[in-house]
Amino acid sequence: AQSVTQPDIHITVSEGASLELRCNYSYGATPYLFWYVQSPGQGLQLLLKYFSGDTLVQGIKGFEAEFKRSQSSFNLRKPSVHWSDAAEYCCAVGASAGGSYIPTFGRGTSLIVHP
Amino acid sequence: EAGVAQSPRYKIIEKRQSVAFWCNPISGHATLYWYQQILGQGPKLLIQFQNNGVVDDSQLPKDRFSAERLKGVDSTLKIQPAKLEDSAVYLCASSLVPHSYNEQFFGPGTRLTVL
Repeated sequence: AQSVTQPDIHITVSEGASLELRCNYSYGATPYLFWYVQSPGQGLQLLLKYFSGDTLVQGIKGFEAEFKRSQSSFNLRKPSVHWSDAAEYCCAVGASAGGSYIPTFGRGTSLIVHP
Repeated sequence: EAGVAQSPRYKIIEKRQSVAFWCNPISGHATLYWYQQILGQGPKLLIQFQNNGVVDDSQLPKDRFSAERLKGVDSTLKIQPAKLEDSAVYLCASSLVPHSYNEQFFGPGTRLTVL
């Protein structure tokens, strides 16, 4: 079965600093990978996704992520963080399991932005 | 385009009581998902519908949880009787079709507190 690990529960950065959120997955084949953002009181919103092709994926709000097969990772990055980026970030893998599709989410990383 | 609607947004009940949540997916989306997100964890899939049929409910605690999507549009999730450990945010999501690469669109969630 597939799994997703987000090793950091909380990440604190200063506004304007760069950001990298880690995501590692476990799956036997090429996975479909997603990053979602969850702001308080709102549902999860898709930031970006990887299916195939270029391993560097651009998303909304200035985010990007890089798929590294050798490391089973799909880390999320942003060169300069804004205070409005403070939120919960969830990595997810979409994979087939036993004939059906079961999406699997990581536990999330909470981003705290200091002014 | 209207998003995924959920109600109520908040619910407080006592253990052993019953509760029901409602979800209306994006128009035209055949696939509907219910997730349970316990504090500090990522969303866990409870049940997945394709139109009005169940695709996967392997992680649904069937002794107390039930869900239906009678006309293939909106859906209800019920808990009867509730336990303390059911306290969580219940997320509804929808997608066009149930494939690994399809983006899921999430509603704002229902926060359930069981006392």
